[in-house]
Parts: sequence; structure tokens; C-alpha cells
Amino acid sequence: NAGVTQTPKFQVLKTGQSMTLQCAQDMNHNSMYWYRQDPGMGLRLIYYSASEGTTDKGEVPNGYNVSRLNKREFSLRLESAAPSQTSVYFCASSETHLDGLFYGYTFGSGTRLTVV
Amino acid sequence: GIQVEQSPPDLILQEGANSTLRCNFSDSVNNLQWFHQNPWGQLINLFYIPSGTKQNGRLSATTVATERYSLLYISSSQTTDSGVYFCAVIMDSNYQLIWGAGTKLIIKP
Repeated sequence: NAGVTQTPKFQVLKTGQSMTLQCAQDMNHNSMYWYRQDPGMGLRLIYYSASEGTTDKGEVPNGYNVSRLNKREFSLRLESAAPSQTSVYFCASSETHLDGLFYGYTFGSGTRLTVV
Repeated sequence: GIQVEQSPPDLILQEGANSTLRCNFSDSVNNLQWFHQNPWGQLINLFYIPSGTKQNGRLSATTVATERYSLLYISSSQTTDSGVYFCAVIMDSNYQLIWGAGTKLIIKP
């Protein structure tokens, strides 16, 4: 049972390059999230997907796009990377309250991105 | 919006010591979670604990929702317990997390 898997674990980009961060979960969760964490700070929500086929902006969506490819996969794309996007990116999933039960969040191991 | 405050901000202990970390929240919540971020940056679920008490080995947590606080207990600390401990409340409306600033714990051998 892998939980939430993120790829790649590390990436260095040049300013202006694009890339996609991949995330997959095997827990059949409805909701998935992308967070960023800057040094010495807490996590900030970039985008989330409450269910397959829906996506919504979080606290810091500028410069990012997302795709909920299917129930398992939620990708984050940087179209034109900027140094300000240097951060650690975490993907997470959770089960929504459809049946009245909620078991909390599960996080991936993170992607450390450096934009030079 | 809901405010989440953690204390203490920093804690340095000798291996074998016990510790209590506190999380206060400004409004009633139905969901709360504790996480440990280790020195390598991995974010690990500790407890999903909307109320009551849970235990997992040397760690236990208690949430008293009516009094708006949660406590994380670490007994017989080990150096591998070092890292930052985050408390986060989960919004009922959209299940998003509201994070505390964390408690940075250093366990010295």
C-alpha cells in the first residue's frame, strides 16, 4: 500500500522552463491537493480537487495549473518557472464526507524544486 | 477565519525525556490532525484526532474540542523524534487544512 506517490523527488529548472509534477494515490480517495512549503514556513494550498473532474484554486494558485486526470492522479504544471517558485511541493489526498466518515489527510513525500 | 496556535515554538530535550506539545484553535472544529515533519522534509501523519485520546507507541494525543485545544505527548524521546510537529484543523466547509506554525523539537543524544 504505497499511499500517495510523487514524482520526481528533486528537480532543477531554469527560469522560463516548464514541467509537470505527478501525483498518484492508491487509497481510492475523492479529494486531492497540492501544497507548497517555503523554508521556515508552513504549507500553503495551491490547488485542490474535491472530486474527479473538479479543480479549485487555493491560497497561492498564480503561476500553476492542475489536471485531475482520473480519480488516482492529480498533476501540477508550471508553465514558465520563476525563481519565486523554488519550494518543496507536497501532494495530499483525503476522503470526503460522502458517507459521513473522514479519516484525515495523507501526504506524499514531496518534490524539492529549485528554479535558477 | 480560524486561528491555530502552537506552543512552545521551540523545544530542546535530552534523549529519554517526555514532552507535551499544545495546539489551541480559535473556533470550534470537528477535525484535527497532527503531523511530524522530519529533518529530511517528509511529512508524516501522526494522528487524526477530532476528539478524545489516541495512542500509538510512545506518542499519544488528546483533543478537547469543547475547550478548543489538543495535546501531543511524546514519551521517552529518541533522536529520531526530532523535527517539526504541526497541528492542523480541517475546515468542515471544504476540508482544507488550517496549519499552526509548528513546534520545532530537537532531541539531543
